[in-house]
Amino acid sequence: EAQVTQNPRYLITVTGKKLTVTCSQNMNHEYMSWYRQDPGLGLRQIYYSMNVEVTDKGDVPEGYKVSRKEKRNFPLILESPSPNQTSLYFCASSLMARRGGMYEQYFGPGTRLTVT
Amino acid sequence: RKEVEQDPGPFNVPEGATVAFNCTYSNSASQSFFWYRQDCRKEPKLLMSVYSSGNEDGRFTAQLNRASQYISLLIRDSKLSDSATYLCVVNPGLANAGKSTFGDGTTLTVKP
Repeated sequence: EAQVTQNPRYLITVTGKKLTVTCSQNMNHEYMSWYRQDPGLGLRQIYYSMNVEVTDKGDVPEGYKVSRKEKRNFPLILESPSPNQTSLYFCASSLMARRGGMYEQYFGPGTRLTVT
Repeated sequence: RKEVEQDPGPFNVPEGATVAFNCTYSNSASQSFFWYRQDCRKEPKLLMSVYSSGNEDGRFTAQLNRASQYISLLIRDSKLSDSATYLCVVNPGLANAGKSTFGDGTTLTVKP
């Protein structure tokens, strides 16, 4: 089954304790992206990756790191989490169109993170 | 001004009604446009891509107006199961190929 998986699904942690949220896709997609969603807001892009070893900042990258060492995995790292990073996080993947557009994004189930 | 703006609603309509949502975008070079549906903070799922000539899928019609920089979604004969949040998504062209900007979403409630 084609899917995007995220782990953990729920996480409660304390300020300053490093954490990693994993994301994996089995569709051989070049493109992967992380988003956060806060109440009343749409999804805001944190980082994205166009291919292995190619990553770039989205609209809200502060406080986050990513890496893309393999095509299927795109972990999100919070080196020193703070309460303002409490949010619902989604990972997504997609094929890239040749002329720079994008096809449908497939989303993981989300990770609810609470930082106290 | 936000890059992508949607009317947040909420839209409360009776079953069988026709409802339309608009989404405006500021980047005239944008290339790809989509409508996603999101239920109760679950993951968004693609409802429709939006093509330049407009496209229809059953009760749903999507249109793109490049001159006025907006996309629209029309839902005919609303069902209870259409109750959800609808998100428009805009992707820029080659200059920023990986960027993806979502609107804040429009909430639709269809009532019996």
